[in-house]
Amino acid sequence: ETGVTQTPRHLVMGMTNKKSLKCEQHLGHNAMYWYKQSAKKPLELMFVYSLEERVENNSVPSRFSPECPNSSHLFLHLHTLQPEDSALYLCASSQGGTGYTGELFFGEGSRLTVL
Amino acid sequence: TQLLEQSPQFLSIQEGENLTVYCNSSSVFSSLQWYRQEPGEGPVLLVTVVTGGEVKKLKRLTFQFGDARKDSSLHITAAQPGDTGLYLCAGAVPQGGSEKLVFGKGTKLTVNP
Repeated sequence: ETGVTQTPRHLVMGMTNKKSLKCEQHLGHNAMYWYKQSAKKPLELMFVYSLEERVENNSVPSRFSPECPNSSHLFLHLHTLQPEDSALYLCASSQGGTGYTGELFFGEGSRLTVL
Repeated sequence: TQLLEQSPQFLSIQEGENLTVYCNSSSVFSSLQWYRQEPGEGPVLLVTVVTGGEVKKLKRLTFQFGDARKDSSLHITAAQPGDTGLYLCAGAVPQGGSEKLVFGKGTKLTVNP
């Protein structure tokens, strides 16, 4: 138990569906992150939120839409995805935002399959 | 171009054996982290090294940061099945007046009973 909880753990969706991934952290951290983990690729940082403000967006396609309503919750809204978007999506939190390179606390991930 | 190269990509050994995995780059890092990701879980931080030449030990795991802060190694003594997992290194590099963390692809270790 890392203090970061992700739901759902597994998601299968068609290219025309709309779904959302949810992340909740119970660590009192002020920054939250979305990472994409694909086979044979390094972890890719997608978005960073610090104090509920998006501070980093790494050229992620608009079919991925993040939302951070408060410092404990983070969502990733998905729509009209492509099969190449199939991956493990990891949420993380930390006590720091942009430029922070200390310890990240990861959730267990949401395994997404796009048919 | 991959900033951080990890080798080997895959490693399968028997319980009790020793092993070393490597994390190499042409860039200098201000710090470097090692994470372990067990099957079905997210990565968990094992150690952070900051000083060139630094050696840190965590039970049977020994981490070393290169003198030039461009590379690192992880040595496991007498590996156990519980050591199975994906070992990720992540280095802090300069970006636009600040820093960012970049990850390697990882070494997938399997320790067979």
